[in-house]
Amino acid sequence: EVQLVESGGGLVQPGGSLRLSCAASGFTFSDYWMHWVRQVPGKGLVWVSRINPDGSSTTHADSVKGRFTISRDNAKNTLYLQMNSLRVEDTAVYYCTRDSSGYFNYWGQGTLVTVSS
Amino acid sequence: DVVVTQSPLSLPVTLGQPASISCRSSQSLVHSVGNTYLNWFQQRPGQSPRRLIYEVSKRDSGVPDRFSGSGSGTDFTLEISRVEAEDIGVYYCLQGTHWPPTFGQGTKVEIK
Repeated sequence: EVQLVESGGGLVQPGGSLRLSCAASGFTFSDYWMHWVRQVPGKGLVWVSRINPDGSSTTHADSVKGRFTISRDNAKNTLYLQMNSLRVEDTAVYYCTRDSSGYFNYWGQGTLVTVSS
Repeated sequence: DVVVTQSPLSLPVTLGQPASISCRSSQSLVHSVGNTYLNWFQQRPGQSPRRLIYEVSKRDSGVPDRFSGSGSGTDFTLEISRVEAEDIGVYYCLQGTHWPPTFGQGTKVEIK
């Protein structure tokens, strides 16, 4: 069974940093593109970042480019999102997702990031 | 970015009755390889999103056959043939043809 378990969310002040993790199991992690998608509480879904199977290629949404970095450790079956220079508008639930027959077939339970002073 | 517009944004439904959600894109979603990458997701209250439909009309594993997707080009529809209580939640369409992938605003399905 495919499982994605996010962790690392919490309360951080504007300008601060946080690193999210997503532990994957139930599939060969190194075979798949992985993404982060976020959702402001009560609002819609927004794609944030993606990474290719071997980690050599990454893409970020314009809203986080230069501040967020997606990475992965295939030996640990773990996806990461390093978030720097956090802003109030980055407050959201962050989901780890995996592709299969197209985008976002599997989702984690999400981890809440709150940016507030 | 491609803009994806859903309607209605709120859909009061009667259990056992059909329901329909529309999704329109600002550009054709036909990819150069010939496929159309339009997905539908369900998000029940307090849960993560779940993909129901991919490539317009293909149901994901375990999705009840009362859910069906149709459409082409820029106009797409998700239909629920007979709404059940467990279908309550927010539904999103996603276009994956053009980069970056973009979601519709969501349609909240609630009991009338």
